[in-house]
Amino acid sequence: GENVEQHPSTLSVQEGDSAVIKCTYSDSASNYFPWYKQELGKRPQLIIDIRSNVGEKKDQRIAVTLNKTAKHFSLHITETQPEDSAVYFCAASLDQFYFGTGTSLTVIP
Amino acid sequence: ETGVTQSPTHLIKTRGQQVTLRCSSQSGHNTVSWYQQALGQGPQFIFQYYREEENGRGNFPPRFSGLQFPNYSSELNVNALELDDSALYLCASSLVGRPDTQYFGPGTRLTVL
Repeated sequence: GENVEQHPSTLSVQEGDSAVIKCTYSDSASNYFPWYKQELGKRPQLIIDIRSNVGEKKDQRIAVTLNKTAKHFSLHITETQPEDSAVYFCAASLDQFYFGTGTSLTVIP
Repeated sequence: ETGVTQSPTHLIKTRGQQVTLRCSSQSGHNTVSWYQQALGQGPQFIFQYYREEENGRGNFPPRFSGLQFPNYSSELNVNALELDDSALYLCASSLVGRPDTQYFGPGTRLTVL
């Protein structure tokens, strides 16, 4: 089955700096790669996603890049704000979802 | 907020007992997936149901079973509970073949003592 690895497990940045989270996947058949933000005690919320036929997607301060050959994808958050502090999960999917282990992001005011 | 609901919100059971968790899907969604999220971990795929039949299963033992009903609501049943079953259980509904339509419910926090 699919195996998704995510790094780093924790990340602290100063407000206004950028944050980058990286994931790798093992199954080349996976074709959909969402990123979720999860705040304490709440459900995961989709923040951005990318399909395998696209190399990059951007939504305001958030962007995702995908390298199919290397089987890795990354989340980029620019101009970070304290409210970006949360746990972020990547996932790889063909139909079922396989999640990474999460990155706890702390934005220091 | 999405239209996916789960009940109960919290549940405490003892080792060896059985538990049933419930999920009501987003209107129009015909597929439901269940995930186990242990503390500090990512959600782990348990199984998926489509048209009332299991449509994929993760690495979970047979004591984890499910049902999907004609109205697309579903249940997750866990027999012979173990301490390691303590986790947040999330259901997510979607349209078959459209993973981009997946919405999570708020989850059920299960504690096994």
